[in-house]
Amino acid sequence: EPEVTQTPSHQVTQMGQEVILRCVPISNHLYFYWYRQILGQKVEFLVSFYNNEISEKSEIFDDQFSVERPDGSNFTLKIRSTKLEDSAMYFCASSAGWKGNQPQHFGDGTRLSIL
Amino acid sequence: DQQVKQNSPSLSVQEGRISILNCDYTNSMFDYFLWYKKYPAEGPTFLISISSIKDKNEDGRFTVFLNKSAKHLSLHIVPSQPGDSAVYFCAASGGGSQGNLIFGKGTKLSVKP
Repeated sequence: EPEVTQTPSHQVTQMGQEVILRCVPISNHLYFYWYRQILGQKVEFLVSFYNNEISEKSEIFDDQFSVERPDGSNFTLKIRSTKLEDSAMYFCASSAGWKGNQPQHFGDGTRLSIL
Repeated sequence: DQQVKQNSPSLSVQEGRISILNCDYTNSMFDYFLWYKKYPAEGPTFLISISSIKDKNEDGRFTVFLNKSAKHLSLHIVPSQPGDSAVYFCAASGGGSQGNLIFGKGTKLSVKP
């Protein structure tokens, strides 16, 4: 069964450094998402992406964050200047459509640790 | 802002019995509700969904019931198996947004042999 893959599985970065999290969505999916889960808290929506542009973003997704689909397969999340509070699990997801009857499929996540 | 609530952080059930996981929501504009299962060190895995115009959806051992008047949904697993032990997340979509999912905090299910 096709799956969403994320790399790296664990990223350790010094505060203030830039970090890029990578995702390969399911190949025939058109909608892409990033979510994060801070330890002990809910999974929170960050951003959705369709047709090479951001469809929607949450309040968390401020100017420090950006997303890109640099080629036909990868989808990346960049945090420009990391803060301690960016430490979390970051999940990428993709779906064939945006309605709930076309569910989002998630990768196994990248654990980001900011020192 | 807790639009989706799972009030039970954990549930323990004997193998072979029914597991019932509950979820409440506040936004009447949600159009789909989804259940995801999550094992440690893995991402959420989609289980089953239900449209807001339905009151029941069944897939094998999993059934989701929706009570719109009470803004409540539940996931029933019958019979429960030890491999079902995981964290179960309720999520909702719609409500004025385009596709993003709003998750509950999750319920950790333990199925004991």
